[in-house]
Amino acid sequence: GAGVSQTPSNKVTEKGKYVELRCDPISGHTALYWYRQSLGQGPEFLIYFQGTGAADDSGLPNDRFFAVRPEGSVSTLKIQRTERGDSAVYLCASSLDATSNTEAFFGQGTRLTVV
Amino acid sequence: TQLLEQSPQFLSIQEGENLTVYCNSSSVFSSLQWYRQEPGEGPVLLVTVVTGGEVKKLKRLTFQFGDARKDSSLHITAAQPGDTGLYLCASSAGAGKSTFGDGTTLTVKP
Repeated sequence: GAGVSQTPSNKVTEKGKYVELRCDPISGHTALYWYRQSLGQGPEFLIYFQGTGAADDSGLPNDRFFAVRPEGSVSTLKIQRTERGDSAVYLCASSLDATSNTEAFFGQGTRLTVV
Repeated sequence: TQLLEQSPQFLSIQEGENLTVYCNSSSVFSSLQWYRQEPGEGPVLLVTVVTGGEVKKLKRLTFQFGDARKDSSLHITAAQPGDTGLYLCASSAGAGKSTFGDGTTLTVKP
């Protein structure tokens, strides 16, 4: 596709369940980022990949959160034992590379609601 | 982690008015980006400023980077309803990842 694609666009899950959020980056982009945006706040960095490897996962809040990018393209953010506080919009972005001033393109996000 | 403060948090104006929103930090920015985000969408990059004192224009939008690279402003001339959205500033936190402010929510009424 032309842009970053995230699925699903909305996800409602019960507390304690496991969820997977998918990101399909722009073709050829080696860097991929996950951010989380809570209501009334700016995006908060979670993790970024350069190719297949997680280059920086310092933003993951705890060990219930995990992300993979096995073939260096599509990425999946996995959340175990979801809590109500995990409710937010999860944004994915990709860029040609990970140098500081390379433009990152964002997807439309997945709105996760934990009830 | 660099903290970015944006003001005002909310701004509601009439079509045709001018406005300025601000982004400030206690530490120096290596570079600063301005984004606009519409409801249900991801942020879209408007501009990147790098040099202290730099001014960039994008149609009716003027971006200014402070001489000391600790602050930036976004001025919109003759605002239109299509300018409505969340304006976010962000700084590079290294290797492509960014730290975002909490944004200014702008509403332009027709």
